Amino acid sequence: GDSVTQMEGPVTLSEEACLTINCTYTATGYPSLFWYVQYPGEGLQLLLKATKADDKGSNKGFEATYRKETTSFHLEKGSVQVSDSAVYFCALSERDSNYQLIWGAGTKLIIKP
Amino acid sequence: EPEVTQTPSHQVTQMGQEVILRCVPISNHLYFYWYRQILGQKVEFLVSFYNNEISEKSEIFDDQFSVERPDGSNFTLKIRSTKLEDSAMYFCASHGQGETQYFGPGTRLLVL
Repeated sequence: GDSVTQMEGPVTLSEEACLTINCTYTATGYPSLFWYVQYPGEGLQLLLKATKADDKGSNKGFEATYRKETTSFHLEKGSVQVSDSAVYFCALSERDSNYQLIWGAGTKLIIKP
Repeated sequence: EPEVTQTPSHQVTQMGQEVILRCVPISNHLYFYWYRQILGQKVEFLVSFYNNEISEKSEIFDDQFSVERPDGSNFTLKIRSTKLEDSAMYFCASHGQGETQYFGPGTRLLVL
């Protein structure tokens, strides 16, 4: 079945450092790919998404490009802030599975001032 | 901006008791979901619901679980006889014609 693999955390960075959180997937069809973020004590918020190969999703300075050839959707940000500290989840959905989201394990990001 | 709401935010119950978790999806959405997240673990799909019936369910969603849309606005998850391992954060989500799911803030369920 479909699956999502994320790099394990926690990832600890200093403010203004560059961030990459790796995400790879396996899917039978043509999934849409998502990054969700969970701030401490809060629910799940959509950060960005991409629905087809070579699409780039972006939001709040974060970017991720749908790479079909490497089955990847890595999350990047050029300069992180303390307020970016959260847990980041990569996920996919497919129409044939009624759009249920298949989730990665989540990567906890800690940004130190 | 419309949002998904969930009640209660926290629920403590005794093992074997029934619980009902409530969700109000975004009003013009047609697809509804329940997910759960056991503390420190990944988010897991439970069930999807469309056109007044279950469209997909996971292995977790056994006979102890049921979902209902009792009126035009609420979407409920019932656990008939709770077990210790049902302790988790339960998230409701919905989407319309687009496939992006919007999540509620979650209900934290603790089974003692």
